[in-house]
Amino acid sequence: DAGVIQSPRHEVTEMGQEVTLRCKPISGHDYLFWYRQTMMRGLELLIYFNNNVPIDDSGMPEDRFSAKMPNASFSTLKIQPSEPRDSAVYFCASTIWGGVVDTEAFFGQGTRLTVV
Amino acid sequence: AQSVAQPEDQVNVAEGNPLTVKCTYSVSGNPYLFWYVQYPNRGLQFLLKYITGDNLVKGSYGFEAEFNKSQTSFHLKKPSALVSDSALYFCAVRDPILTGGGNKLTFGTGTQLKVEL
Repeated sequence: DAGVIQSPRHEVTEMGQEVTLRCKPISGHDYLFWYRQTMMRGLELLIYFNNNVPIDDSGMPEDRFSAKMPNASFSTLKIQPSEPRDSAVYFCASTIWGGVVDTEAFFGQGTRLTVV
Repeated sequence: AQSVAQPEDQVNVAEGNPLTVKCTYSVSGNPYLFWYVQYPNRGLQFLLKYITGDNLVKGSYGFEAEFNKSQTSFHLKKPSALVSDSALYFCAVRDPILTGGGNKLTFGTGTQLKVEL
């Protein structure tokens, strides 16, 4: 498996524009996490899914942020409208927990978002 | 609510000396504990985990960690540090029994390890 795949790797956008970040988890994993990393706040959990269903979105900072997981192999994190303070590195991670298999979380390479 | 604390923003160690990166946690049930490492401009890489069993866990690159339930700690250790170990280290906790939000994976704020010659 190629691991967790995120796209794009880098995104520069103007304030007010819509931004969509994408994630393809490892095949067979049933949990998917979205994190945001900044110097000031460290690594923050934004939202996570289990079997494509959002379990906890309490970390989503504002209504401008939304996340979806339409199927087991794809998730999106959307920011609309974007603001300069959204500039950060966004990570996606996936894992399989419970039952016979119980692994660690695997992270993608991240998307570095810059809002100007 | 579950939480993880990494009390040191930075740890400096001379190459060849032992290193310790501290982590304490708070959960309602029995914790699953993890250590990850992040190199510049990279994603997080898994080092080791504690689920159950022996309190001393061995992981990648010669790292190990000791689970101490009474002190709610999971410190990362290495007997002899290398310059190439210099990176950002994260401790994480998962509480599989947490009501309403089971299996949330929460990270500490990270500790920058700097190993010097």
